[in-house]
Amino acid sequence: AQSVTQLGSHVSVSEGALVLLRCNYSSSVPPYLFWYVQYPNQGLQLLLKYTSAATLVKGINGFEAEFKKSETSFHLTKPSAHMSDAAEYFCAVTFYGNNRLAFGKGNQVVVIP
Amino acid sequence: NAGVTQTPKFQVLKTGQSMTLQCAQDMNHNSMYWYRQDPGMGLRLIYYSASEGTTDKGEVPNGYNVSRLNKREFSLRLESAAPSQTSVYFCASSETGESYNSPLHFGNGTRLTVT
Repeated sequence: AQSVTQLGSHVSVSEGALVLLRCNYSSSVPPYLFWYVQYPNQGLQLLLKYTSAATLVKGINGFEAEFKKSETSFHLTKPSAHMSDAAEYFCAVTFYGNNRLAFGKGNQVVVIP
Repeated sequence: NAGVTQTPKFQVLKTGQSMTLQCAQDMNHNSMYWYRQDPGMGLRLIYYSASEGTTDKGEVPNGYNVSRLNKREFSLRLESAAPSQTSVYFCASSETGESYNSPLHFGNGTRLTVT
């Protein structure tokens, strides 16, 4: 079955440290891939999306993600965490032949001063 | 731009009561969606409307109905609320549901509690 997996519901990171959030999908055909961010009491906002033009995608607020077909992954990174990065992050996938967006269960990021 | 506007922001219902959640977008988007968000479950699609005049079931449609009133508005109705429908509900829109690459724009959500 097609699915998207995010491990570790809560992620703690020190201010200034690397942020790494993992996303894996199960599909033999590369899907369309997105990362969304949700700040407290708000809706989701698009952080970045994979368009097949380049495997390394840059998004807003210094985040980037790399598509690795061999690993069926689309991990999100930011070199140096800021307090304002505290939020919930969702990986989302549109699988080939299905125009519905499937969301991972999310990662709640806590930034420690 | 207002983007996607949802009303109400908060609602408390008793079991068996009915209510309608309203959603409107001002971006001239063709497709609109209703999701529910529960802790540890991510977002799950309830219903969507690929274009004006069409609606389709998503992953968790039971207990809900929708109406695509016009291109701007897409409402979600709970006919007989149940405690299992306690959740945060998000409306979203996209330029077109046919474009796999079209990102979603979300409203700020409605927090619904059913007692």
